[in-house]
Amino acid sequence: EDKVVQSPLSLVVHEGDTVTLNCSYEVTNFRSLLWYKQEKKAPTFLFMLTSSGIEKKSGRLSSILDKKELFSILNITATQTGDSAIYLCAVEAYNQFYFGTGTSLTVIP
Amino acid sequence: EAGVAQSPRYKIIEKRQSVAFWCNPISGHATLYWYQQILGQGPKLLIQFQNNGVVDDSQLPKDRFSAERLKGVDSTLKIQPAKLEDSAVYLCASSLGLVQGEQYFGPGTRLTVT
Repeated sequence: EDKVVQSPLSLVVHEGDTVTLNCSYEVTNFRSLLWYKQEKKAPTFLFMLTSSGIEKKSGRLSSILDKKELFSILNITATQTGDSAIYLCAVEAYNQFYFGTGTSLTVIP
Repeated sequence: EAGVAQSPRYKIIEKRQSVAFWCNPISGHATLYWYQQILGQGPKLLIQFQNNGVVDDSQLPKDRFSAERLKGVDSTLKIQPAKLEDSAVYLCASSLGLVQGEQYFGPGTRLTVT
């Protein structure tokens, strides 16, 4: 059965901390892995990863994929209160998207 | 650029009633998705359209759910009859179709079935 597992389920940090969110998957016909940020509304797209070992960066966020070990990590450095959200990992397979349950990140001032 | 529009934003119905949701994707986006997100879970893809054709609906409970995308633009998702476990947020998303990963989500419709 295809599945996407995220860890930790929730995380509370202080502003300025660095966090690492994990996403592991078992999906046949893998095409890409995607990260989304979800606040009190619909998810917003962060990254799409298709190749192993190539880091994607956007400001304080970065992500990398390991297709051999079947996981991805999302790093956030110098966290801010505005980073508080649920971070969703999704795997795109052939004509299907599988989402994890998300990691709830809370950044305390 | 206008985003993905959905209506209504909230809906409360009793079990066994019917309900319909509407989605208008971003102009020019060929691919449209309907997701169901139950509280505390990630979104689950129900159905995917490419223009007005169904690409995948393997996770759509076809005994009670139906969806259509006439003319390859707007789409409607219907539930008939609704069950308590259908309470969720129904998200519509669209993408150009060339780079399917970059989906743009609408604000969602929060359905409560009592």
